[in-house]
Amino acid sequence: GENVEQHPSTLSVQEGDSAVIKCTYSDSASNYFPWYKQELGKRPQLIIDIRSNVGEKKDQRIAVTLNKTAKHFSLHITETQPEDSAVYFCAATLANQAGTALIFGKGTTLSVSS
Amino acid sequence: GAVVSQHPSRVICKSGTSVKIECRSLDFQATTMFWYRQFPKQSLMLMATSNEGSKATYEQGVEKDKFLINHASLTLSTLTVTSAHPEDSSFYICSAHFPPSGRERGWETQYFGPGTRLLVL
Repeated sequence: GENVEQHPSTLSVQEGDSAVIKCTYSDSASNYFPWYKQELGKRPQLIIDIRSNVGEKKDQRIAVTLNKTAKHFSLHITETQPEDSAVYFCAATLANQAGTALIFGKGTTLSVSS
Repeated sequence: GAVVSQHPSRVICKSGTSVKIECRSLDFQATTMFWYRQFPKQSLMLMATSNEGSKATYEQGVEKDKFLINHASLTLSTLTVTSAHPEDSSFYICSAHFPPSGRERGWETQYFGPGTRLLVL
């Protein structure tokens, strides 16, 4: 089955700096890679996702890159703001197949100080 | 707005009692829902896949007789924690694929319920 590794476990940056979180996956069949942001006590919120037929995707200050050959993908947050502070989870799954669950990384606690 | 709801949001119970958690898809039918458990400062761990009209598929290490899952309708899945013990205290979250037709984003998009925080005394 799929195994997802996520690094770093904690990340502290100054406001305005960039933050990068990296994940690797084991199952070469996985073809969908979402990123979730979770604030304390709340549900995970989808912030960006990427499919395996794309190498990079950007949405304002957030971008995700995917290297299928190396089986790793990364989240990039530019111009970080204090409200970006949260726990971020990467995940992997086999899309277009009902009943296939997301497998999550262990999470990265991002702290943005002003 | 939320497309998946959960009830209750928080429950405190005595050791040995059973607790039922409901997960509902709002305004859409979900043939498959997923149940996750999240301990403090840890990741979401998949417990089981809930399939409408059939038995749930449990992940390795999850006791099916302790965590009863029922998906009797296309909009409701329930998780019952039987004979709860303090070590079962956790944050339980369900999710469902949305939109179910898959045309806009595909099957892969999952939205989560708000979660249920269970505390067993």
